[in-house]
Amino acid sequence: AQSVAQPEDQVNVAEGNPLTVKCTYSVSGNPYLFWYVQYPNRGLQFLLKYITGDNLVKGSYGFEAEFNKSQTSFHLKKPSALVSDSALYFCAVRDGLTGGGNKLTFGTGTQLKVEL
Amino acid sequence: GAVVSQHPSRVICKSGTSVKIECRSLDFQATTMFWYRQFPKQSLMLMATSNEGSKATYEQGVEKDKFLINHASLTLSTLTVTSAHPEDSSFYICSARDNLVYGYTFGSGTRLTVV
Repeated sequence: AQSVAQPEDQVNVAEGNPLTVKCTYSVSGNPYLFWYVQYPNRGLQFLLKYITGDNLVKGSYGFEAEFNKSQTSFHLKKPSALVSDSALYFCAVRDGLTGGGNKLTFGTGTQLKVEL
Repeated sequence: GAVVSQHPSRVICKSGTSVKIECRSLDFQATTMFWYRQFPKQSLMLMATSNEGSKATYEQGVEKDKFLINHASLTLSTLTVTSAHPEDSSFYICSARDNLVYGYTFGSGTRLTVV
């Protein structure tokens, strides 16, 4: 079975400061990892994904994430937060094992609040 | 890029009636689509996986006779909430496997309120 943990319900950061949103995962095979952002009453917008290759993945809106296999983590980061980054962030994982299916499993979400 | 159109964005219906939600892939063919339900301030709960031309696969605990899913073409999947009750009020989101490598594209969601 695959699972995702986002240990923080909310992260507060001042505008201009770096931000980190944490994510750890568990899968049987190789993980396919994703980050999405959701604004109120909207669907999910894709930020970035890790399938294979470089452990540091760069995505949309200046976000990046680092895949750490030994720590089974995929934390989302941004060097300088903006107020407009305030939203709900979801980490998701899919098991890359052949026959593992297409399903994504989502974490519980982390509300990011960026203040002036 | 891949776009998934979902509508209606909001619907209010009376208890006992049925509501249909559509999910369309606009610029790609989606052999697989997913339907999620999201409660306020909570994560997405996968309800079912729909495959074009075959029966949907429902997650444990989801009533297939209540949440009817049809995926009759490569660009359209529909979710019908039958005999809706207030407890069915929720935010429903669809997603499709897009033509990017292992990509998933999400619709903008439907806010269902049953009164």
